[in-house]
Amino acid sequence: QSALTQPASVSGSPGQSISISCTGSSRDIGAYNYVSWYQQHPGKAPKLMIFAVSNRPSGVSDRFSGSKSGNTASLTISGLQADDEADYYCSSYTGTMTFGVFGGGTKLTVL
Amino acid sequence: QLQLQESGPGLVKPSETLSLTCTVSGASISRNTYYWAWIRQSPGKGLEWIGSIYYSGSAYYNPSLRSRVTISVDTSKNQFSLRLSSVTVADTAVYYCARPAVPAAIFHGMDVWGQGTTVTVSS
Repeated sequence: QSALTQPASVSGSPGQSISISCTGSSRDIGAYNYVSWYQQHPGKAPKLMIFAVSNRPSGVSDRFSGSKSGNTASLTISGLQADDEADYYCSSYTGTMTFGVFGGGTKLTVL
Repeated sequence: QLQLQESGPGLVKPSETLSLTCTVSGASISRNTYYWAWIRQSPGKGLEWIGSIYYSGSAYYNPSLRSRVTISVDTSKNQFSLRLSSVTVADTAVYYCARPAVPAAIFHGMDVWGQGTTVTVSS
């Protein structure tokens, strides 16, 4: 199955808000509320930031929020901080034949 | 606190079989209703789910890798393992073991990850 589509890069200044989109299809994002978002710093394992579209795991800042509309999911980060600079990946469940797929990743630069 | 740790050879020759083990600490695989996953990350293909296994041994695989992948579980050692046969340079990647945030979910938000182990396929 094809990877989900994310912008290659986004940027913002400290204190600003940014959103990262993740576009799929009616077979993945559009069909299931199982979208997740990960943050990955260089050389580190991915860290789960959002699951089930808009749920934050314990310990994740409420500056991070997720949403979905049709076949597109979004991650919004408010009050940008320097440590938010990282790669961000989305993923979606795709049903019982293929199970799941990841996006290609978005590099967030905090200016 | 649940921790996962990958182990195995860092270098595998083309056409041979890649074998990795994930040791689980802080929780018992057999007492948890979770699936345990293998995920890899290569520069060319990003993150890719390889497959997941339940403590009972029920396993599910990425269709694109299914013909070459076997995931097994050893509850006595609290470990699960990955075998990928007939490897090529395209299988060079960082391999992670992980566990979803939600019980009984084959592919869901993975909230616990190992540190990852780099496997290079080269002669």
